[in-house]
Amino acid sequence: DVKVTQSSRYLVKRTGEKVFLECVQDMDHENMFWYRQDPGLGLRLIYFSYDVKMKEKGDIPEGYSVSREKKERFSLILESASTNQTSMYLCASRPPGIGLGYTFGSGTRLTVV
Amino acid sequence: RKEVEQDPGPFNVPEGATVAFNCTYSNSASQSFFWYRQDCRKEPKLLMSVYSSGNEDGRFTAQLNRASQYISLLIRDSKLSDSATYLCVVNGRYALNFGKGTSLLVTP
Repeated sequence: DVKVTQSSRYLVKRTGEKVFLECVQDMDHENMFWYRQDPGLGLRLIYFSYDVKMKEKGDIPEGYSVSREKKERFSLILESASTNQTSMYLCASRPPGIGLGYTFGSGTRLTVV
Repeated sequence: RKEVEQDPGPFNVPEGATVAFNCTYSNSASQSFFWYRQDCRKEPKLLMSVYSSGNEDGRFTAQLNRASQYISLLIRDSKLSDSATYLCVVNGRYALNFGKGTSLLVTP
């Protein structure tokens, strides 16, 4: 089974801090994704990547950036954390091809105070 | 119009009941369809893919109507452990689009 590992389950950060959320997958998948999930809003796509050093903006990229230096690792960066970035962050990966679903990491619940 | 729309519920059903969830999607060019299950405070997990001819996995049956852009999930003989949120998922141009989910509570 594909394993997608997110480095932290729970995180509390202060407003204005730079925050790094790490995600590692062990199945050599090209495609990786970052979503946030909020009550009433569902999952919203922040950024995704099709390959090393490639990144594409999703639906809500403002206030975020990403890094993909190695195929197995996709990092989400909050440049200057704000309270409206308090959320559950979910990383996912999948192999190429449209017929396959994602495998998600267990999520990072980030609280910005 | 939202990409994927679902009735949020909640659906409260007794054990043993049959329950059906529906979902509509806006992009007629979509090719891949899924149902995911999400337990409280956990990540979504793939329940089943949805194929054009309809498909079944134990107590779960998924159907797709491309003409109406409509997907359904039927759960027969509901168990307490089926209580969760069910997410309808459709592929978009670059990534999967998720509905907001339908909440199911199965009661004794």
